[in-house]
Amino acid sequence: KNEVEQSPQNLTAQEGEFITINCSYSVGISALHWLQQHPGGGIVSLFMLSSGKKKHGRLIATINIQEKHSSLHITASHPRDSAVYICAAPVGTAGNKLTFGGGTRVLVKP
Amino acid sequence: GAVVSQHPSWVICKSGTSVKIECRSLDFQATTMFWYRQFPKQSLMLMATSNEGSKATYEQGVEKDKFLINHASLTLSTLTVTSAHPEDSSFYICSARIRAGGVSYEQYFGPGTRLTVT
Repeated sequence: KNEVEQSPQNLTAQEGEFITINCSYSVGISALHWLQQHPGGGIVSLFMLSSGKKKHGRLIATINIQEKHSSLHITASHPRDSAVYICAAPVGTAGNKLTFGGGTRVLVKP
Repeated sequence: GAVVSQHPSWVICKSGTSVKIECRSLDFQATTMFWYRQFPKQSLMLMATSNEGSKATYEQGVEKDKFLINHASLTLSTLTVTSAHPEDSSFYICSARIRAGGVSYEQYFGPGTRLTVT
């Protein structure tokens, strides 16, 4: 079992819909990353959070340390949000390595 | 936000040649940089961890003599794929870590370099 698991694996939404991606982890972590990877391959760091909630534009990330769970929400989704969203958590006491979730492939249709 | 650049963004080379990929942190100092590779439709796989001024730490199964990593300064790390073969064709991504206090570190990713070996 992977230490970081995401759901769903694939998600299709209509433009304007609210999207939620979930990430669960089985080890204690100091922080969790949400990343976005567009079809061209480039990766963008969206959030790093260790507690509570962060918001950037239409993106909201929340984390519940006790429940070992994080969510990424996209409000008023747009076709340009189509990408693979990946959660990742540092493993080990020094947080040297990231363990990646399997990714969620999001397609927003116009 | 912190910016990490990679150069080149894509490269095509002939089998047997060597290719150097640069990773730069543009507006911050990165004591640690990480190199990943990603095959199509797969997740990122950590290849090595590079600390400024010291030898890189390679993950199990990654040949250190084939993937040479140099972290000469706090803003630059390079990955050289030596004697490249078609199976080395992949997407190579670096990330740089900022110390953000305590044991929690921010990590920022470069845009990636697509290597095709013919």
